[in-house]
Amino acid sequence: GENVEQHPSTLSVQEGDSAVIKCTYSDSASNYFPWYKQELGKRPQLIIDIRSNVGEKKDQRIAVTLNKTAKHFSLHITETQPEDSAVYFCAASWGNKLVFGAGTILRVKS
Amino acid sequence: DSGVTQTPKHLITATGQRVTLRCSPRSGDLSVYWYQQSLDQGLQFLIQYYNGEERAKGNILERFSAQQFPDLHSELNLSSLELGDSALYFCASSEGQGPGNTIYFGEGSWLTVV
Repeated sequence: GENVEQHPSTLSVQEGDSAVIKCTYSDSASNYFPWYKQELGKRPQLIIDIRSNVGEKKDQRIAVTLNKTAKHFSLHITETQPEDSAVYFCAASWGNKLVFGAGTILRVKS
Repeated sequence: DSGVTQTPKHLITATGQRVTLRCSPRSGDLSVYWYQQSLDQGLQFLIQYYNGEERAKGNILERFSAQQFPDLHSELNLSSLELGDSALYFCASSEGQGPGNTIYFGEGSWLTVV
């Protein structure tokens, strides 16, 4: 079935350190893998996405890598800041359906 | 502000009742999605409409139904409410319907069933 597994469920890092969140997906997912950030009580917001024709994409301190053979993709945040504290969701698409992982609570300690 | 408007923002109702959540997509977006977010279930995809027609269905209960109107706004109807239906319901919209279209979320409607 359509499933996305996300790890870890919680992650605490010291300000300035890097954070890595990993996701795996089940078979036949489509070519689109976005990441969303959700602050407490607010809506999820897209922070970066990747399509299957590229293996890595960077946007300032955020990068995403995709390994379609292994069916996993990862979010990398460098030089973390307190404002990076939030819940991060990965997602994969099956047809018109975007399925989200369970989320990772990232805490950046200053 | 994503441009996706949801009403009401908060709603408290009793078990067994029926409620309607309303969503207006971003200007120009033809697709509308509904998601349910509860503490133990994360973001669960419910249903998607594109230009008035149902396009994809997730784990939407039979007690729930949705529709998209000619003006592209959408409504999610929740009936015979149970305590477990308490959640944050998000509407999202995108320009197209296929994978790869960025979806933008509204602020959500908090539903509390007592």
